[in-house]
Amino acid sequence: NAGVTQTPKFRVLKTGQSMTLLCAQDMNHEYMYWYRQDPGMGLRLIHYSVGEGTTAKGEVPDGYNVSRLKKQNFLLGLESAAPSQTSVYFCASSYTTGNWEDTQYFGPGTRLTVL
Amino acid sequence: DAKTTQPPSMDCAEGRAANLPCNHSTISGNEYVYWYRQIHSQGPQYIIHGLKNNETNEMASLIITEDRKSSTLILPHATLRDTAVYYCIGGYSTLTFGKGTMLLVSP
Repeated sequence: NAGVTQTPKFRVLKTGQSMTLLCAQDMNHEYMYWYRQDPGMGLRLIHYSVGEGTTAKGEVPDGYNVSRLKKQNFLLGLESAAPSQTSVYFCASSYTTGNWEDTQYFGPGTRLTVL
Repeated sequence: DAKTTQPPSMDCAEGRAANLPCNHSTISGNEYVYWYRQIHSQGPQYIIHGLKNNETNEMASLIITEDRKSSTLILPHATLRDTAVYYCIGGYSTLTFGKGTMLLVSP
């Protein structure tokens, strides 16, 4: 199993450009998440999905959109990139047992720089 | 999600036990305590979790106080590769990651 993979690993954008980050998992997990991590900070939840076709906002959703058309994929879009979106983006997935257990498995991250 | 408090940094000598504390006084009865770690520039890695009882796996042990207001992650024989930021999280699903504890293991 590859686990959680993220594409691309690195990207440089100019202000105003758009891009999509792809997260894929092969563990048949229901839940998927997008986080961002700024230097010296913890992770902050951007958006998450509890199943195919569903998405919800996290702590810092502004400037981002997401889609979960297939169970194994979770896409994060930046419609008009801003320098404040320079960060490392981590995707995660989890299988909830329904009894409040929910272990998350993370991808390697995408390092995005917006000039 | 429960708010957690961890020391910003800790040091440990290689081969000794590393005991990382966490306060989670607002944790609810159903919320598990999770520990993750993040080695420089990598994605966070799951370590262990527990609800009420102490837990042990191949990576670490987790000691949860009876009132569930705090816990301790124990790495029994720390190695240089255990140098990382350790996150204690109380909650379910939409987890809140704080700044964690930076553990530095030295020779």
